[in-house]
Amino acid sequence: QVQLVESGGGVVQPGRSLRLSCAASGFTFRSYGFHWVRQAPGKGLEWVAVIWSDGSNEYYADSVKGRFTISRDNSKNTLYLEMNSLRVEDTAVYYCARGVYDLAYWGQGTLVTVSS
Amino acid sequence: QSALTQPPSASGSPGQSVTLSCTGTSSDVGGFNYVSWYQQRPGKAPKVIIYEVSKRPSGVPDRFSGSKSGNTASLTVSGLQAEDEADYCCSSYAGRNNPNWVFGGGTKLTVL
Repeated sequence: QVQLVESGGGVVQPGRSLRLSCAASGFTFRSYGFHWVRQAPGKGLEWVAVIWSDGSNEYYADSVKGRFTISRDNSKNTLYLEMNSLRVEDTAVYYCARGVYDLAYWGQGTLVTVSS
Repeated sequence: QSALTQPPSASGSPGQSVTLSCTGTSSDVGGFNYVSWYQQRPGKAPKVIIYEVSKRPSGVPDRFSGSKSGNTASLTVSGLQAEDEADYCCSSYAGRNNPNWVFGGGTKLTVL
C-alpha cells in the first residue's frame, strides 16, 4: 500500500537550517509529483512547495521562496525539503503529499520547532 | 496566495445533512476544477474525501458529496454520523500564471 514517511524534524534555532525527508513506498515514485504542506500548531494547512514527477519544475509559496528548496531522488524514492534561514513562524508539522493537482496520499508529518 | 474562506464551525444532529462552504476567487476555486476536501482528526494527517470538486476516492462513503458554484465550493455530509465529527479543510489549485495551491482555514464539524 502507499506509504509516505517523513523524518528530519526537530528543534532548531532561528536562522539555522534543517532538511526534511519523505520516504515513499508501495507505488512507482518517479511517476508522481509531490507537495510539502505545513500546519502550525492549532492552525490550518498551508501549502509550501511542489515538485513535478521528473523534477523539472518546482514552485513555492511566497512565505518560503528563496529560503526553502524542494528536491527528489527518484533512485531512493525520497522527497526532500531543505529549509534555510528558519524563522519562528516556520514552526509547524510538515507533511509530504503525493499528487500534483490532487493530493491523494499524505504522510503522518514531522514536527519542526524553531525556537531560541 | 490568499487562503480560502471557511466558516470556523458547523454542527448537526445524527441523521441530518450539513453543508460546508469554501469561498475563493476566480483565480482559484472559480477558475479551476481542482478543489479538494480533507477530513482531519486531532493529531492525524489530513485524509482526502473529495477531489476535483465532486469525485470521491474509493472507500469514502457516498454520504460525502462535493459541488461548486462560481467561486464557492461546498461539501455536503448527509446522514450525519458521530464519526463524522472532525475538521474539514478545502483546497484549490490557484495557478493561472504561477502554479500554487491554497487551503481554507478549516471548519470544525460537531455532531450534536
